[in-house]
Amino acid sequence: SQTIHQWPATLVQPVGSPLSLECTVEGTSNPNLYWYRQAAGRGLQLLFYSVGIGQISSEVPQNLSASRPQDRQFILSSKKLLLSDSGFYLCAWSASDSNQPQHFGDGTRLSIL
Amino acid sequence: SQQGEEDPQALSIQEGENATMNCSYKTSINNLQWYRQNSGRGLVHLILIRSNEREKHSGRLRVTLDTSKKSSSLLITASRAADTASYFCAGRWAGNNRKLIWGLGTSLAVNP
Repeated sequence: SQTIHQWPATLVQPVGSPLSLECTVEGTSNPNLYWYRQAAGRGLQLLFYSVGIGQISSEVPQNLSASRPQDRQFILSSKKLLLSDSGFYLCAWSASDSNQPQHFGDGTRLSIL
Repeated sequence: SQQGEEDPQALSIQEGENATMNCSYKTSINNLQWYRQNSGRGLVHLILIRSNEREKHSGRLRVTLDTSKKSSSLLITASRAADTASYFCAGRWAGNNRKLIWGLGTSLAVNP
């Protein structure tokens, strides 16, 4: 069966520090991969999605970036975090068929001090 | 904005009652999906209804879709305290079928 792993579960970082969040998927190949951010009590904001290795689509201009170095690995990064980067970050995968749902990791709670 | 909207924003009911949540959207979609999120956790997919379907059932869940009104509803029958969570609708956008357009969610509290 397919599983998705996202870590760490919580992270506290100072303003201006770098960020690297990793997400890996097991049990499937060539998935679509997604990074979302969720503000408290709000819906999901799509940050990046990827349909293949090295293919990244950015939805919101900001100081975050994403990379997909391997088929089932998706990384969210920042060189210098801002206070506004605080939030709940979720990774998800889906099969390439548009009538398939997305499957989410457990999320990373990022707090910027 | 392409974002979906849900109402009510918050719903509080007693165990055993039915809960109905509504979702409206503005763009053309290929399918409409409902997800559940327990506090501080990731989202879990509940049910998907395609644009050519009008109603779908899964256990205690019933979803309807009216593409002419660009709206959907999720009914949870005989609710349980364990159903307490936030519920989100998401439409698979016809303009880019790799993306979902998300509603802001309904927070459901089922009181024992």
